[in-house]
Amino acid sequence: QQQVKQSPQSLIVQKGGISIINCAYENTAFDYFPWYQQFPGKGPALLIAIRPDVSEKKEGRFTISFNKSAKQFSLHIMDSQPGDSATYFCAASRMDSSYKLIFGSGTRLLVRP
Amino acid sequence: DTGVSQDPRHKITKRGQNVTFRCDPISEHNRLYWYRQTLGQGPEFLTYFQNEAQLEKSRLLSDRFSAERPKGSFSTLEIQRTEQGDSAMYLCASRHTGSSYEQYFGPGTRLTVT
Repeated sequence: QQQVKQSPQSLIVQKGGISIINCAYENTAFDYFPWYQQFPGKGPALLIAIRPDVSEKKEGRFTISFNKSAKQFSLHIMDSQPGDSATYFCAASRMDSSYKLIFGSGTRLLVRP
Repeated sequence: DTGVSQDPRHKITKRGQNVTFRCDPISEHNRLYWYRQTLGQGPEFLTYFQNEAQLEKSRLLSDRFSAERPKGSFSTLEIQRTEQGDSAMYLCASRHTGSSYEQYFGPGTRLTVT
């Protein structure tokens, strides 16, 4: 049973636009929610992460919005650039155990010049 | 800055052969994780080590798979009698339990079983 659902599967945005990717989780025991960026042939790299005690976290052009009651969180990429074109994965983890990451299925983002 | 390294980066093997992958984590990272990623999907957890102890194995890790971390440093993942369904990217990640929550991923080993 998939525990983290991610949408959309793919996204095309014009340069300078806002990219929004959404995730929903089922397990209320999750308490760490990172977003990873992956380029072809590379391993995932952490972009930004949030814990459920805050509703929003911003780092540069990247913002996570977190809705604990709805069990949803989203990634917003402001002023999207062609270099942001990559696959993005949300993930969730329980910090009181193995910290293993449960990943969403990914969103392939294409930012057009 | 020496990140997580994996070797080989690519491996092509015939069905039924055994393969072994190596992961070198970031120095002094006591936790090491193995994930498998198939095309178009997110990584899936396989197993993890705390130092040299293997503490959890996923149901994805069939009897044909074995992982070791003999001295609490590098780790190996062996697949015996490979099947075409084993074709995937095998990712290794490491973290230090005393510092941050972040898992640092290696570049992965791409396995193709023909």
